[in-house]
Amino acid sequence: AQSVTQLGSHVSVSEGALVLLRCNYSSSVPPYLFWYVQYPNQGLQLLLKYTSAATLVKGINGFEAEFKKSETSFHLTKPSAHMSDAAEYFCAVRMDTGRRALTFGSGTRLQVQP
Amino acid sequence: DAGITQSPRHKVTETGTPVTLRCHQTENHRYMYWYRQDPGHGLRLIHYSYGVKDTDKGEVSDGYSVSRSKTEDFLLTLESATSSQTSVYFCAISAGGNVLDEQFFGPGTRLTVL
Repeated sequence: AQSVTQLGSHVSVSEGALVLLRCNYSSSVPPYLFWYVQYPNQGLQLLLKYTSAATLVKGINGFEAEFKKSETSFHLTKPSAHMSDAAEYFCAVRMDTGRRALTFGSGTRLQVQP
Repeated sequence: DAGITQSPRHKVTETGTPVTLRCHQTENHRYMYWYRQDPGHGLRLIHYSYGVKDTDKGEVSDGYSVSRSKTEDFLLTLESATSSQTSVYFCAISAGGNVLDEQFFGPGTRLTVL
């Protein structure tokens, strides 16, 4: 079975500070990993996905994530937080067979202080 | 906009009543999913469909049924709503041909069962 764990249900940073949201995965096979963002009262939007082509993945809005097999991690980072980054972020893993559904982490709510 | 609509967007109902939520897509995608979102749990898969009349259960399917008689519509039914089914429900679609195909999410339906 595959799963993801997000450490920290709430993260607060100052505007301009580094954003680091943590995600660790558990998978018996090479994982397909995703980060989604959810703005208040909206659906989820894909930020980036790990395709195995490169360990450092760049996404939208200046976010990136690095796949580290030795640490079973796929942490999301952004060098400088903006007020508009305040949202909830979900890490997800997907199976390569069958239903192709996503298994989500419990989410991390990012708060950006002025 | 991935061409996904959900109806209704908000619903309040009473315990024991049947409820049907509708997901409609204009993309002609093969795969459709129903997730529920609850605080601390992220999104969890209820049911999914991989084609017309082809459906299967997810992790939290008890108390829910689905139907897909047309490619564009995926219905989620709560036969007898309970308070534990108070949640936000998201529909998602994907082309499904590749495990890295993006899943697009609808705007969600907020259901309250009194």
